[in-house]
Amino acid sequence: GNSVTQMEGPVTLSEEAFLTINCTYTATGYPSLFWYVQYPGEGLQLLLKATKADDKGSNKGFEATYRKETTSFHLEKGSVQVSDSAVYFCALDPFMNRDDKIIFGKGTRLHILP
Amino acid sequence: DVKVTQSSRYLVKRTGEKVFLECVQDMDHENMFWYRQDPGLGLRLIYFSYDVKMKEKGDIPEGYSVSREKKERFSLILESASTNQTSMYLCASSPGTEGYNEQFFGPGTRLTVL
Repeated sequence: GNSVTQMEGPVTLSEEAFLTINCTYTATGYPSLFWYVQYPGEGLQLLLKATKADDKGSNKGFEATYRKETTSFHLEKGSVQVSDSAVYFCALDPFMNRDDKIIFGKGTRLHILP
Repeated sequence: DVKVTQSSRYLVKRTGEKVFLECVQDMDHENMFWYRQDPGLGLRLIYFSYDVKMKEKGDIPEGYSVSREKKERFSLILESASTNQTSMYLCASSPGTEGYNEQFFGPGTRLTVL
């Protein structure tokens, strides 16, 4: 079946450090991949997406590349800020038929220290 | 911008009460979803709907029901609230068109059942 596995948190970094949050997936066919972010006290919002292999999604300095050969979609940012403190969710849309649902990872909490 | 609103940010109810959580979206989306979010468990899908008056069970439907009488509104009902239903409840909607279905989330309702 379809599944998403992301690294467990919390992840604690100092401001301006390099960030990687690992995400791997299992899916049949050609899924679309997403990263969502949840800031404190808010719902989830889409951070970036990639709809086919080798696509790179990017937004707010974050990037992730859809790697079909390694079934991965790792989130990276070159220099994190305190305002990036949030919970990050990797997600997969199987895109097989209308009844398929988006599959979310369990989330990774990120703390950025000033 | 798509807006998904939820009727309450915080709610406190007593065991055995009937609880209604309301969700409204303003972008004519076909699909609507209810999740609960718990620490260490990520997002779990309770129910979803792909059309008016249509509903499908998600991964954890027990103890919940839903109603979708109008396209823009999707209600989650706890028939007899229990303490293990204390959680953050998130509503989401997506366009339902061909292709990937980005989900747009409301701010969440934090429900406490005493």
